[in-house]
Amino acid sequence: SAVISQKPSRDICQRGTSLTIQCQVDSQVTMMFWYRQQPGQSLTLIATANQGSEATYESGFVIDKFPISRPNLTFSTLTVSNMSPEDSSIYLCSARGGGDSGELFFGEGSRLTVL
Amino acid sequence: RKEVEQDPGPFNVPEGATVAFNCTYSNSASQSFFWYRQDCRKEPKLLMSVYSSGNEDGRFTAQLNRASQYISLLIRDSKLSDSATYLCVAQNYALNFGKGTSLLVTP
Repeated sequence: SAVISQKPSRDICQRGTSLTIQCQVDSQVTMMFWYRQQPGQSLTLIATANQGSEATYESGFVIDKFPISRPNLTFSTLTVSNMSPEDSSIYLCSARGGGDSGELFFGEGSRLTVL
Repeated sequence: RKEVEQDPGPFNVPEGATVAFNCTYSNSASQSFFWYRQDCRKEPKLLMSVYSSGNEDGRFTAQLNRASQYISLLIRDSKLSDSATYLCVAQNYALNFGKGTSLLVTP
């Protein structure tokens, strides 16, 4: 299994500012992902965080808005840039466990409110 | 069209009841399937994987029909603690989540 720590757990931000969310995994993992869960909605994949290279973004998400870093196999950051109220959401870091199980472990999420 | 579709519910059932959730997925290339459970204001956690042969874990039974691209979850003898949102998941290279089915088990 993998234990994932995210911070901040919650924040209230002003429109136009940026916020960086940090994600730390207690073991080396190959795959790390960032998801968003808007109120009443399911989880939507933002991007796959690739170690040592640019993240792979899903349709509708772009690097300028959601820059991602992954400097090593245990750490990643997601920045929400130039925030608007529509960015209010829970942002979840996740990592794929070892072996063939495919189990995805999640951090507790970062609840972002943009005023 | 979303990759994974679920009935959002809510399903309100009495303790001890049997309840079934269904889910369909659109990407025939999906390789693995899961049910996750998400409690209110918490992160999702894996409930069980879903195999073509069907699999059971205590009171929970999961089934997969690849021909129909259909996944199911059966919960027998419902407990109050089963109240949660159940997320259906289909995986190609990443996990695609359904919106979830809300279950409320009442005394």
